[in-house]
Amino acid sequence: DIVMTQSPLSLPVTPGESASISCRSSQSLLHGSGYNYLDWYLQKPGQSPQLLIYMGSTRASGVPDRFSGSGSGRDFTLRISRVQTEDVGVYYCMQALQTPLTFGQGTKVEIK
Amino acid sequence: QVQLQESGPGLVKPSQTLSLTCTVSGGSVISGGYHWSWVRQHPGKGLEWIGYIYYSGNTDYTPSLKGRVAISLDTSKNQFSLKLTSVTAADTAVYYCASGGGPLTVWGQGTLVTVSS
Repeated sequence: DIVMTQSPLSLPVTPGESASISCRSSQSLLHGSGYNYLDWYLQKPGQSPQLLIYMGSTRASGVPDRFSGSGSGRDFTLRISRVQTEDVGVYYCMQALQTPLTFGQGTKVEIK
Repeated sequence: QVQLQESGPGLVKPSQTLSLTCTVSGGSVISGGYHWSWVRQHPGKGLEWIGYIYYSGNTDYTPSLKGRVAISLDTSKNQFSLKLTSVTAADTAVYYCASGGGPLTVWGQGTLVTVSS
């Protein structure tokens, strides 16, 4: 199985500032097609997860442009610019290169 | 826009079979190119992919549950289902259905299943 490791696991943020979450995979997620099979999800308190970013850097429909994904191979970053209070929750990365699909441990973002 | 809704018993006895259904609206379970997934979340923990079924009926499951899990399609009801046999307390979790096999584009609201006598 591909192991996904996120850091940090807890991230206090100040509204209006930026925040970054790192995700590393135990093997490259770069497919022969040139796409990285890495997705980002946000689970807001009391809600089901929602897709934010897929293929490493493509924002899902309706996701604000303050969310951006970058990286390739084994190292990926989710950046939130101008954090808003509605962005609190747990962020997960997930690899979709091969089954079983596997998630990172989650990063809890909270407001300072 | 596809919407998903899980349904099924919230309490299952140990050694019995957990059965959940996901009803799809706004789309068809036999839409070409679509996977339909199940994911679970143990209380206070992270996300665990259980498996998926392709619109053609092909399935794939996480190795840790193989032998106990089955996902099926009911095209007449536009639903897909999860069965997990021989459950124990370790199967207590919130179970989510989702569209896609990576990315998981739309999620249901989730349903808590407790395994207890």
